[in-house]
Amino acid sequence: NAGVTQTPKFQVLKTGQSMTLQCAQDMNHEYMSWYRQDPGMGLRLIHYSVGAGITDQGEVPNGYNVSRSTTEDFPLRLLSAAPSQTSVYFCASSFRAGSLYQETQYFGPGTRLLVL
Amino acid sequence: GENVEQHPSTLSVQEGDSAVIKCTYSDSASNYFPWYKQELGKRPQLIIDIRSNVGEKKDQRIAVTLNKTAKHFSLHITETQPEDSAVYFCAAGLGTASKLTFGTGTRLQVTL
Repeated sequence: NAGVTQTPKFQVLKTGQSMTLQCAQDMNHEYMSWYRQDPGMGLRLIHYSVGAGITDQGEVPNGYNVSRSTTEDFPLRLLSAAPSQTSVYFCASSFRAGSLYQETQYFGPGTRLLVL
Repeated sequence: GENVEQHPSTLSVQEGDSAVIKCTYSDSASNYFPWYKQELGKRPQLIIDIRSNVGEKKDQRIAVTLNKTAKHFSLHITETQPEDSAVYFCAAGLGTASKLTFGTGTRLQVTL
């Protein structure tokens, strides 16, 4: 299994441009999430999904859109990039095993985004 | 929403010593508390987690304790080694790992 994959690894955008960060997982995980990581602020949840067709907002959703048409893919769209969106973006997926809701979250390698 | 505070922000220990990182959370309903290790330029990796139905969990040199009454949990690393040097994040979640609130991280440096 490739696990959680993200593309691109690095991207430079100009203010106002739009783009989509790709995330895919081949582990048949129900749950997927997007986080951004900024220096000194840890990881902050942008959007998450508990299954195909179901998404919800996290802590910092403004300026981002998501959709989950398949179990495998969870793309993150920047509608109009701003310098404040310069960050490292991590996608993650998790699954539940057993009746005690044992759940483990796996992170992708990240996408480094620079908005000029 | 949930708020997670983590201390200290940096921690330097000598090889072989123990390291302790502490976190507090605000939402008493949170019931899942993972710890992640992140090396420079790499992705966060889960090292241990605990759920609110247990007070302590141990995995070799790593242990986590949870005090639900005080709403705090701690990571203990014994017999530290240079490869333990990294940034450690605590997090709290309610019922699922897909919606976590993270602490701001602790940079651990293990010196020879």
